[in-house]
Amino acid sequence: NAGVTQTPKFRVLKTGQSMTLLCAQDMNHEYMYWYRQDPGMGLRLIHYSVGEGTTAKGEVPDGYNVSRLKKQNFLLGLESAAPSQTSVYFCASSYRFGTGHQPQHFGDGTRLSIL
Amino acid sequence: AQSVAQPEDQVNVAEGNPLTVKCTYSVSGNPYLFWYVQYPNRGLQFLLKYITGDNLVKGSYGFEAEFNKSQTSFHLKKPSALVSDSALYFCAVRVLVSGNTGKLIFGQGTTLQVKP
Repeated sequence: NAGVTQTPKFRVLKTGQSMTLLCAQDMNHEYMYWYRQDPGMGLRLIHYSVGEGTTAKGEVPDGYNVSRLKKQNFLLGLESAAPSQTSVYFCASSYRFGTGHQPQHFGDGTRLSIL
Repeated sequence: AQSVAQPEDQVNVAEGNPLTVKCTYSVSGNPYLFWYVQYPNRGLQFLLKYITGDNLVKGSYGFEAEFNKSQTSFHLKKPSALVSDSALYFCAVRVLVSGNTGKLIFGQGTTLQVKP
């Protein structure tokens, strides 16, 4: 049982390049989330999904797009990378909040540097 | 605005001593509160949550947290700290976005350093 798996673990991009971060979960969770973590700022929600085929914006969505074509996968895309997007990105998943307020389960992160 | 604050960037404590990591919140309605821990180069791990009921919540690894509605606080505690407790700790509150759909708002994190 792998939990939440993020691919890749590290990546260096040049300004203007595009890339996709992949998140996969094997816990049959309905909800999935993408966060970014920056020093002294905690975790900020980028986008989230409450089910297959649905996505919604979080606190800091600009410059990112997401897709949830399958229940177990949640993709985060950077169309044109900028240095301000240098960060550690975390994916998380959980059961629906209506089912006992279950906690979120996190992957180990993707460390992304934009030069 | 709904928010979570962790007033201390770092807490230092000697092994064997009690520890407290502070958290205050501002949210409309009943708060759903969480503590997570992050070890270096890892994702966040759930420690405990308060939804309703007893104000003292027990969680993983001997941690507990005390909910205080009048002070809008949810401080994390442990009676006897271990060196292995050294990590980054996050407090979070659930806020509703629509219907029964919610999201977590995280504090900025507190680094706990336990010295032998």
